[in-house]
Amino acid sequence: EAEVAQSPRYKITEKSQAVAFWCDPISGHATLYWYRQILGQGPELLVQFQDESVVDDSQLPKDRFSAERLKGVDSTLKIQPAELGDSAMYLCASSLLSSGDYGYTFGSGTRLTVV
Amino acid sequence: GENVEQHPSTLSVQEGDSAVIKCTYSDSASNYFPWYKQELGKGPQLIIDIRSNVGEKKDQRIAVTLNKTAKHFSLHITETQPEDSAVYFCAATSPGDDKIIFGKGTRLHILP
Repeated sequence: EAEVAQSPRYKITEKSQAVAFWCDPISGHATLYWYRQILGQGPELLVQFQDESVVDDSQLPKDRFSAERLKGVDSTLKIQPAELGDSAMYLCASSLLSSGDYGYTFGSGTRLTVV
Repeated sequence: GENVEQHPSTLSVQEGDSAVIKCTYSDSASNYFPWYKQELGKGPQLIIDIRSNVGEKKDQRIAVTLNKTAKHFSLHITETQPEDSAVYFCAATSPGDDKIIFGKGTRLHILP
């Protein structure tokens, strides 16, 4: 079964340091999403890509977060500098269609702890 | 924008009994309602979904019902098993909208 690959699975970083997460969506999925999930809450969208273009980054804290999907395949989410409040699970998801009404496939996520 | 409310936040059910999780949504234009199961240390996994032109959908022990008038939908798990223990999220999306909005989740405990 096709999967969304994410790495690393776990990351511990000190505040003010830079951190990056990687995601490889299911082959052929043009739409890629990064979500943040704080413990005990539902996922919240950070950024959405259609191919290599950003479709929605309205919830992305752009002063410290950046995301790219240069060739329209895999994607990187970066935080610089990391803050204590950034501790969360960062989930990547992909979808075949740009419309959300066919569901997403999520990766296993990266658990970030900022100390 | 869409807002999805989910309850209860925690649910404990005796093994073999049924579990029901309920959600409400605010946007009457929403037309797709997926349910996700998240096990510890894993990403959410789609378990069942329903579209607004259908009132009920069933897949083995799992069923989802939708009441468009009341703008609420529910997940029903029958004959619960230990492996059903997880966090369940409901979600909703509107036509032409690329985003799925999630509820805050229900932690389901199956008691032996």
